[in-house]
Amino acid sequence: GIQVEQSPPDLILQEGANSTLRCNFSDSVNNLQWFHQNPWGQLINLFYIPSGTKQNGRLSATTVATERYSLLYISSSQTTDSGVYFCAVDRDDKIIFGKGTRLHILP
Amino acid sequence: DAGITQSPRHKVTETGTPVTLRCHQTENHRYMYWYRQDPGHGLRLIHYSYGVKDTDKGEVSDGYSVSRSKTEDFLLTLESATSSQTSVYFCAIRDLQGRYPGKLFFGSGTQLSVL
Repeated sequence: GIQVEQSPPDLILQEGANSTLRCNFSDSVNNLQWFHQNPWGQLINLFYIPSGTKQNGRLSATTVATERYSLLYISSSQTTDSGVYFCAVDRDDKIIFGKGTRLHILP
Repeated sequence: DAGITQSPRHKVTETGTPVTLRCHQTENHRYMYWYRQDPGHGLRLIHYSYGVKDTDKGEVSDGYSVSRSKTEDFLLTLESATSSQTSVYFCAIRDLQGRYPGKLFFGSGTQLSVL
């Protein structure tokens, strides 16, 4: 089956810093989504981004489908950005997740 | 927020007993998914449904069965629970039309402990 790899696995940053999270996938996909899981376990859909670039406030995402990767940018990090970030790819209606990047923002 | 309710929210059971988890949606979405989340593994797909009575296996389907007799409900059954099935189980829904086509939305999860 399709493989989804996220990097880095862990990231510790000071409040105000910028970060880039990467998602690589092993085969062509129908679409890609990014999620944030907060410390209470809630999973929030950040972006639905099969290709191109989207922005939502301090967050933006870019997917280059032909090269099989996506990037999530977080600017001016806040402590509320802490948690785990997952990317997920859709292939033939199966939505497969990477193992996530755990982000910890220090005050 | 997407109208997704998982029940129960927490359950403790013994090895060998049957367990059924329920996912109920009020969004009339076509697709429903069951995932399990374990440390170091992220979210792994167990089974999914693409319509009433239409289901398919995911990445880790052994030991699990599902049923979808109506659009709003998707049941996950552990026929004989084992300790390796201790996990947090998430239900998710999506549709290809409507206000958010293709986007996946999650329920709050069920914490299952098998002793």
